Amino acid sequence: SYELTQPPSVSVSPGQTASIPCSGDQLGDKYACWFQQKPGQSPVLVIYQDNQRPSGISERFSGSSSGNTATLTISGTQAMDEADYYCQTWDRSTYVFGAGTKVTVL
Amino acid sequence: QITLRESGPTLVKPTQTLTLTCSFSGFSLTNNEEGVAWIRQPPAKALEWLALIYWDDDKRYSPSLRSRLTITKDTSKNQVVLKLTNMDPVDAATYYCAHTAAARSPKEMFDSWGQGTLVTVSS
Repeated sequence: SYELTQPPSVSVSPGQTASIPCSGDQLGDKYACWFQQKPGQSPVLVIYQDNQRPSGISERFSGSSSGNTATLTISGTQAMDEADYYCQTWDRSTYVFGAGTKVTVL
Repeated sequence: QITLRESGPTLVKPTQTLTLTCSFSGFSLTNNEEGVAWIRQPPAKALEWLALIYWDDDKRYSPSLRSRLTITKDTSKNQVVLKLTNMDPVDAATYYCAHTAAARSPKEMFDSWGQGTLVTVSS
């Protein structure tokens, strides 16, 4: 079965840039989405089709994809960005999530 | 504006069948390219996709749970129902339903989610 791999945690200082990688076999040939989930809340779509932002999502969030890795970048990280982030794609009619990355703003 | 809300029992016994309902508004499952998915999340663990149903009644299931899952829709009520048989304590989780747009294309995405419903499995 298809798997997506994310680091368990990423730490970032306020105002700095956080990068969260998500790797999977030939992931660059598929589209990736990214979700933000804060404690006790439902996931929120922050990036779709690798690098598109839904309306209402801050410009601080951007995405890219190449080779086997998709990356979510948070620029000018703020305390409100502290959350779990999940990447997701689909493979052979099944939908796969990564294990999630906890972003801590120190 | 799309909204979804999950409902169902908060406690089920082992071996029982879990039945959850997703009630939605802001779209119709009679329209092309629309779909509704179920996704669950055990406490402090990752998201896991379970099932998805499209406007044309095409259904997709997680390979690991396919034998236990059934997803159906009632377009007149704007509802999608998920059944999971033979419940076990490892199935305890928050169960979410989500709207999917651009169905069955590489651009497909879960763009709106319900608040989730927490299900405990215990005798």
